[in-house]
Amino acid sequence: AQKITQTQPGMFVQEKEAVTLDCTYDTSDPSYGLFWYKQPSSGEMIFLIYQGSYDQQNATEGRYSLNFQKARKSANLVISASQLGDSAMYFCAMRERGAGSYQLTFGKGTKLSVIP
Amino acid sequence: NAGVTQTPKFQVLKTGQSMTLQCAQDMNHNSMYWYRQDPGMGLRLIYYSASEGTTDKGEVPNGYNVSRLNKREFSLRLESAAPSQTSVYFCASGGQGGEKLFFGSGTQLSVL
Repeated sequence: AQKITQTQPGMFVQEKEAVTLDCTYDTSDPSYGLFWYKQPSSGEMIFLIYQGSYDQQNATEGRYSLNFQKARKSANLVISASQLGDSAMYFCAMRERGAGSYQLTFGKGTKLSVIP
Repeated sequence: NAGVTQTPKFQVLKTGQSMTLQCAQDMNHNSMYWYRQDPGMGLRLIYYSASEGTTDKGEVPNGYNVSRLNKREFSLRLESAAPSQTSVYFCASGGQGGEKLFFGSGTQLSVL
């Protein structure tokens, strides 16, 4: 079974609208973390937001928020007031404790296109 | 303010050639990682190193070797390159808390 599932290969959103990118995960590690990274066409990986499994409140970073539903094992990224510069690939990732270190497992990504 | 530095940025190899991808970080992180990114596959972990002197296999280690030369440097070696290793390679590092990985800018490798 996949550890991280992103079911939306591509999404379109109108500029200034909000958009939700879906992510579900599977783990038996009680202490895990969830991340979202952005990869623009230039190729670099940009950290957006982090949610720990024990965090009581949903994480927020500016226009980004993580809708964390632990019982449903979902960690959706919400981008408010989309901008043209938000057009990129978005990856959900999960941190689990491996052999002496943390490992990050990535989903296959969602390509977001913002329409003017 | 370098962060994670990878070299080279681009490389073309012929099948059977060898090469080493270099990675260095200046954030005093214990953990370092090598990922490969293929279209439609996301990033897949090749090898990682929890600390100086230790390395462990990730999801797709076949055809690769790694060396954790010191705390700063973590290299990835292809001994006999194959076309299936055509990919974009990312090095990353992270601290003890595991809250965030910092990525290098990537190496685009083509094996002909």
